[in-house]
Amino acid sequence: QLVLTQSPSASASLGASVKLTCTLSSGHSSNAIAWHKQQPEKGPRFLMKLNSDGSHNKADGIPDRFSGSSSGAERYLTISSLQSEDEADYYCQTWASGIWVFGGGTKLTVL
Amino acid sequence: EVQLVESGGGLVQPGGSLRLSCAASGFTFNTYWMGWVRQAPGKGLEWVANTNAEGSERYYVDSVKGRFTISRDNAKNSLYLQMNSLRVDDTAVYFCVRTPAGGSGYWGQGTLVTVSS
Repeated sequence: QLVLTQSPSASASLGASVKLTCTLSSGHSSNAIAWHKQQPEKGPRFLMKLNSDGSHNKADGIPDRFSGSSSGAERYLTISSLQSEDEADYYCQTWASGIWVFGGGTKLTVL
Repeated sequence: EVQLVESGGGLVQPGGSLRLSCAASGFTFNTYWMGWVRQAPGKGLEWVANTNAEGSERYYVDSVKGRFTISRDNAKNSLYLQMNSLRVDDTAVYFCVRTPAGGSGYWGQGTLVTVSS
């Protein structure tokens, strides 16, 4: 069964870096994923598509502070030089055999 | 500029029906998989249904199979979700989504569906 696992919460200080993790279930370690950001009271926004080899396509307007990487079944979103507007929920998504699957989301708090 | 604009949400009684629409612009609609994703109050994102570029393939989450139907009209650059036999737990904001699989995902602003007596 295709499942994405995310930690429910993360926190980091203003100006620091944070690395969020999305883990693919067994047998799906070659899947690409997408990262989405949802700020409070707003709709989600596509950030990037992240491939199993770590290559990624970022959406227009996404700052260089946002980057993606991969290792095995793990997919990462790293945000550097944290700003207050980075405080949001971050969701990963994958797809296979026609279906879409979302992780439970990570709530990022910027201290 | 890419735009996805949903409409058709509202308040409906349990057992009722609603039809959501999504008007797409700014991209070649008939070359993208499209889908609906919902978010119940205070909860995470849940995929509901999607369809391939031609509209010949349709997939649904188990909880809506037999009740919801996704469709598209490529001539009108529009995506639809017909929702029948609505239940209280279908209450959510429904988003129209362009697939991220090609590296260029996009979300609409969402439309609220409230199922309540």
